[in-house]
Amino acid sequence: EDKVVQSPLSLVVHEGDTVTLNCSYEVTNFRSLLWYKQEKKAPTFLFMLTSSGIEKKSGRLSSILDKKELFSILNITATQTGDSAVYLCAVGRYNNNDMRFGAGTRLTVKP
Amino acid sequence: DAGVTQSPTHLIKTRGQHVTLRCSPISGHKSVSWYQQVLGQGPQFIFQYYEKEERGRGNFPDRFSARQFPNYSSELNVNALLLGDSALYLCASSRDRGFPETQYFGPGTRLLVL
Repeated sequence: EDKVVQSPLSLVVHEGDTVTLNCSYEVTNFRSLLWYKQEKKAPTFLFMLTSSGIEKKSGRLSSILDKKELFSILNITATQTGDSAVYLCAVGRYNNNDMRFGAGTRLTVKP
Repeated sequence: DAGVTQSPTHLIKTRGQHVTLRCSPISGHKSVSWYQQVLGQGPQFIFQYYEKEERGRGNFPDRFSARQFPNYSSELNVNALLLGDSALYLCASSRDRGFPETQYFGPGTRLLVL
Protein backbone atom coordinates (compact mmCIF):
# COMPACT_ATOMS: atom_id res chain seq x y z
CA GLU A 1 0.00 0.00 0.00
CA ASP A 2 1.26 3.47 -0.88
CA LYS A 3 2.56 5.43 2.11
CA VAL A 4 3.69 8.97 2.77
CA VAL A 5 5.18 9.51 6.22
CA GLN A 6 6.13 12.87 7.68
CA SER A 7 8.28 13.57 10.71
CA PRO A 8 8.23 15.03 13.20
CA LEU A 9 4.48 15.30 13.70
CA SER A 10 4.93 18.52 15.62
CA LEU A 11 7.73 20.92 16.33
CA VAL A 12 8.09 23.99 18.53
CA VAL A 13 10.93 26.41 17.87
CA HIS A 14 11.81 30.04 18.57
CA GLU A 15 12.07 32.81 16.04
CA GLY A 16 15.37 32.71 14.21
CA ASP A 17 15.80 28.95 14.49
CA THR A 18 16.31 26.72 11.46
CA VAL A 19 14.03 23.73 11.03
CA THR A 20 14.10 20.64 8.83
CA LEU A 21 10.92 18.76 8.04
CA ASN A 22 11.06 15.24 6.66
CA CYS A 23 8.90 13.31 4.23
CA SER A 24 9.48 9.70 3.22
CA TYR A 25 7.40 7.80 0.72
CA GLU A 26 6.72 4.35 -0.62
CA VAL A 27 4.49 4.62 -3.65
CA THR A 28 4.12 2.93 -6.99
CA ASN A 29 4.56 4.96 -10.17
CA PHE A 30 6.08 7.96 -8.38
CA ARG A 31 5.91 11.14 -10.44
CA SER A 32 6.32 14.12 -8.11
CA LEU A 33 6.54 15.26 -4.52
CA LEU A 34 4.88 18.46 -3.40
CA TRP A 35 5.06 20.55 -0.24
CA TYR A 36 2.11 22.63 0.95
CA LYS A 37 1.61 25.07 3.82
CA GLN A 38 -1.74 24.94 5.59
CA GLU A 39 -2.45 27.75 8.02
CA LYS A 40 -6.19 27.77 8.53
CA LYS A 41 -7.92 25.86 5.79
CA ALA A 42 -6.71 25.75 2.19
CA PRO A 43 -3.29 24.17 1.62
CA THR A 44 -1.13 26.57 -0.37
CA PHE A 45 1.52 25.31 -2.75
CA LEU A 46 5.20 25.70 -1.84
CA PHE A 47 7.30 23.42 -4.05
CA MET A 48 7.05 20.62 -6.56
CA LEU A 49 10.02 18.26 -6.91
CA THR A 50 10.47 15.70 -9.64
CA SER A 51 14.23 15.26 -9.96
CA SER A 52 16.72 14.07 -7.37
CA GLY A 53 19.34 16.38 -5.97
CA ILE A 54 18.02 19.64 -7.39
CA GLU A 55 17.24 22.12 -4.65
CA LYS A 56 14.21 24.32 -4.99
CA LYS A 57 14.43 27.61 -3.12
CA SER A 58 12.02 30.40 -2.29
CA GLY A 59 13.22 32.98 0.16
CA ARG A 60 13.94 31.29 3.46
CA LEU A 61 12.40 28.00 2.33
CA SER A 62 14.18 25.30 0.38
CA SER A 63 13.51 21.68 -0.46
CA ILE A 64 15.27 18.76 -2.05
CA LEU A 65 14.29 15.28 -3.19
CA ASP A 66 16.22 12.01 -2.99
CA LYS A 67 14.56 9.48 -5.29
CA LYS A 68 17.02 6.75 -4.40
CA GLU A 69 16.35 6.91 -0.68
CA LEU A 70 12.70 7.95 -1.23
CA PHE A 71 12.55 11.06 0.89
CA SER A 72 12.42 14.81 0.78
CA ILE A 73 13.26 17.55 3.25
CA LEU A 74 11.87 21.03 3.65
CA ASN A 75 14.18 23.54 5.31
CA ILE A 76 13.10 26.84 6.79
CA THR A 77 15.85 29.20 7.94
CA ALA A 78 15.49 32.19 10.26
CA THR A 79 11.96 31.13 11.20
CA GLN A 80 9.31 33.75 11.90
CA THR A 81 6.02 33.49 13.79
CA GLY A 82 4.27 33.68 10.41
CA ASP A 83 5.82 30.34 9.52
CA SER A 84 3.60 28.67 12.12
CA ALA A 85 1.41 26.24 10.17
CA VAL A 86 0.93 22.62 9.22
CA TYR A 87 3.31 21.58 6.44
CA LEU A 88 1.96 18.84 4.21
CA CYS A 89 3.90 16.56 1.91
CA ALA A 90 2.04 14.95 -1.00
CA VAL A 91 3.00 12.55 -3.78
CA GLY A 92 1.69 12.50 -7.32
CA ARG A 93 1.73 9.23 -9.23
CA TYR A 94 1.50 8.24 -12.87
CA ASN A 95 -1.86 6.77 -13.86
CA ASN A 96 -3.53 8.30 -10.81
CA ASN A 97 -5.66 11.38 -10.62
CA ASP A 98 -5.18 12.05 -6.92
CA MET A 99 -2.45 13.18 -4.55
CA ARG A 100 -1.41 10.99 -1.60
CA PHE A 101 -0.77 13.14 1.47
CA GLY A 102 1.21 12.63 4.63
CA ALA A 103 -0.28 13.51 8.01
CA GLY A 104 1.61 16.79 8.15
CA THR A 105 4.06 18.44 10.52
CA ARG A 106 2.64 21.12 12.80
CA LEU A 107 5.26 23.84 13.23
CA THR A 108 4.89 26.41 15.99
CA VAL A 109 7.31 29.33 16.02
CA LYS A 110 7.41 31.23 19.31
CA PRO A 111 8.53 34.87 19.54
CA ASP B 1 -9.50 35.95 -10.87
CA ALA B 2 -11.52 34.35 -8.10
CA GLY B 3 -10.07 31.24 -6.55
CA VAL B 4 -11.88 28.03 -5.71
CA THR B 5 -14.92 28.77 -3.61
CA GLN B 6 -16.81 26.43 -1.31
CA SER B 7 -20.03 26.67 0.60
CA PRO B 8 -21.00 26.60 3.34
CA THR B 9 -17.91 27.43 5.38
CA HIS B 10 -19.17 25.63 8.47
CA LEU B 11 -21.93 23.12 9.04
CA ILE B 12 -23.28 21.24 12.04
CA LYS B 13 -25.36 18.11 11.51
CA THR B 14 -26.54 15.20 13.63
CA ARG B 15 -25.92 11.51 13.05
CA GLY B 16 -28.07 9.99 10.34
CA GLN B 17 -28.65 13.25 8.51
CA HIS B 18 -27.62 14.06 4.96
CA VAL B 19 -25.32 16.89 3.85
CA THR B 20 -24.52 18.59 0.55
CA LEU B 21 -21.32 20.56 0.08
CA ARG B 22 -20.70 22.81 -2.91
CA CYS B 23 -17.64 23.85 -4.86
CA SER B 24 -17.04 26.32 -7.66
CA PRO B 25 -13.75 25.85 -9.50
CA ILE B 26 -11.47 28.51 -10.88
CA SER B 27 -12.72 29.82 -14.20
CA GLY B 28 -11.44 27.62 -17.01
CA HIS B 29 -10.80 24.64 -14.76
CA LYS B 30 -12.69 21.52 -15.75
CA SER B 31 -11.46 19.11 -13.08
CA VAL B 32 -12.72 19.10 -9.51
CA SER B 33 -11.44 16.83 -6.75
CA TRP B 34 -12.78 16.34 -3.25
CA TYR B 35 -10.68 15.55 -0.19
CA GLN B 36 -11.55 14.78 3.42
CA GLN B 37 -9.18 16.03 6.11
CA VAL B 38 -9.81 14.68 9.58
CA LEU B 39 -8.25 16.66 12.42
CA GLY B 40 -4.56 15.84 12.73
CA GLN B 41 -4.40 14.02 9.39
CA GLY B 42 -3.54 14.96 5.84
CA PRO B 43 -6.21 15.29 3.17
CA GLN B 44 -7.57 12.00 1.86
CA PHE B 45 -8.85 11.73 -1.70
CA ILE B 46 -12.57 11.09 -2.16
CA PHE B 47 -13.46 11.80 -5.81
CA GLN B 48 -12.29 13.43 -8.99
CA TYR B 49 -14.69 14.71 -11.64
CA TYR B 50 -13.70 15.87 -15.08
CA GLU B 51 -16.08 16.95 -17.80
CA LYS B 52 -18.99 15.86 -15.60
CA GLU B 53 -17.78 12.28 -15.29
CA GLU B 54 -16.24 10.52 -12.32
CA ARG B 55 -12.56 9.88 -13.10
CA GLY B 56 -11.29 8.68 -9.78
CA ARG B 57 -12.60 7.44 -6.47
CA GLY B 58 -10.87 6.95 -3.15
CA ASN B 59 -11.57 4.38 -0.48
CA PHE B 60 -14.83 5.80 0.84
CA PRO B 61 -18.18 4.08 1.39
CA ASP B 62 -21.14 4.45 -0.94
CA ARG B 63 -22.64 6.98 1.46
CA PHE B 64 -20.36 9.45 -0.30
CA SER B 65 -21.39 10.60 -3.76
CA ALA B 66 -20.68 13.57 -5.96
CA ARG B 67 -21.56 15.12 -9.25
CA GLN B 68 -20.33 17.85 -11.54
CA PHE B 69 -22.54 20.28 -13.39
CA PRO B 70 -22.24 21.71 -16.92
CA ASN B 71 -20.62 24.85 -15.48
CA TYR B 72 -18.02 22.55 -13.82
CA SER B 73 -19.17 23.31 -10.29
CA SER B 74 -19.57 20.27 -8.09
CA GLU B 75 -21.51 18.90 -5.16
CA LEU B 76 -20.40 16.35 -2.60
CA ASN B 77 -23.20 14.47 -0.87
CA VAL B 78 -22.87 12.40 2.26
CA ASN B 79 -25.78 10.29 3.50
CA ALA B 80 -26.42 8.72 6.90
CA LEU B 81 -23.79 10.87 8.60
CA LEU B 82 -21.55 9.28 11.21
CA LEU B 83 -19.55 10.99 13.92
CA GLY B 84 -16.40 10.02 12.03
CA ASP B 85 -17.49 12.12 9.05
CA SER B 86 -16.60 15.22 11.06
CA ALA B 87 -13.78 16.79 9.07
CA LEU B 88 -12.66 19.60 6.81
CA TYR B 89 -13.84 18.88 3.26
CA LEU B 90 -11.57 20.39 0.66
CA CYS B 91 -12.32 20.95 -2.98
CA ALA B 92 -9.51 21.40 -5.49
CA SER B 93 -9.71 22.39 -9.13
CA SER B 94 -7.30 22.06 -12.02
CA ARG B 95 -7.42 22.67 -15.73
CA ASP B 96 -6.74 19.05 -16.70
CA ARG B 97 -7.59 15.76 -15.11
CA GLY B 98 -4.27 13.96 -15.28
CA PHE B 99 -2.14 16.37 -13.27
CA PRO B 100 -3.38 16.88 -9.73
CA GLU B 101 -0.08 18.60 -9.02
CA THR B 102 -1.54 21.67 -10.69
CA GLN B 103 -4.65 21.82 -8.54
CA TYR B 104 -5.68 24.76 -6.37
CA PHE B 105 -7.48 24.18 -3.12
CA GLY B 106 -10.54 25.97 -1.83
CA PRO B 107 -10.92 27.11 1.78
CA GLY B 108 -12.92 24.04 2.71
CA THR B 109 -16.15 23.30 4.53
CA ARG B 110 -15.80 22.30 8.14
CA LEU B 111 -18.44 19.70 9.00
CA LEU B 112 -19.23 18.74 12.56
CA VAL B 113 -21.46 15.73 13.15
CA LEU B 114 -23.00 15.48 16.62
